[in-house]
Amino acid sequence: GDSVTQMEGPVTLSEEAFLTINCTYTATGYPSLFWYVQYPGEGLQLLLKATKADDKGSNKGFEATYRKETTSFHLEKGSVQVSDSAVYFCALAGTALIFGKGTTLSVSS
Amino acid sequence: SAVISQKPSRDICQRGTSLTIQCQVDSQVTMMFWYRQQPGQSLTLIATANQGSEATYESGFVIDKFPISRPNLTFSTLTVSNMSPEDSSIYLCSGSPSGGSYNEQFFGPGTRLTVL
Repeated sequence: GDSVTQMEGPVTLSEEAFLTINCTYTATGYPSLFWYVQYPGEGLQLLLKATKADDKGSNKGFEATYRKETTSFHLEKGSVQVSDSAVYFCALAGTALIFGKGTTLSVSS
Repeated sequence: SAVISQKPSRDICQRGTSLTIQCQVDSQVTMMFWYRQQPGQSLTLIATANQGSEATYESGFVIDKFPISRPNLTFSTLTVSNMSPEDSSIYLCSGSPSGGSYNEQFFGPGTRLTVL
């Protein structure tokens, strides 16, 4: 069945460091892919999405490219801020939304 | 995008009791969903709330334990029945405006439930 695998955290970075959170998927066909973010004490917010191969989703300085060759959708940001500290979930749209286990990011000043 | 609110935001309950969580959307959505997020875990879909018909439950979840109502296109409730400490989780509802599509969902802030 469809599944999503995320790199395990926690990820701890200093402010202005480069961020990569790996996400790979297994699915039939080419489902839409998403990154959701959950800030402390809050619900999930859609961060970015890509609906077809080679699409790049971007928002708030974060980017992810839909790579069908490697079945990946890695999240990147060139310079993280303390306010980016949150849990990040990769997800794919199969018969339902399927989430990865989440990666906790902590950014210190 | 739709704005989703949930009530209560958190609650502490005694085992054996039941809690009903309300989910309100500020616009009509075709699909509504209920998820559970256990401590330190990812989201697990409990059920899809269908307007005008019974909810569709995922494997491992049953109507007697998690009855769901969906009286209209902007509102749904989830009841956690006969609670035990294992039910301590965050419960989230979401909505998807696209008919028949799971492509994008907007989430409520969640209800943090602690069962003693």
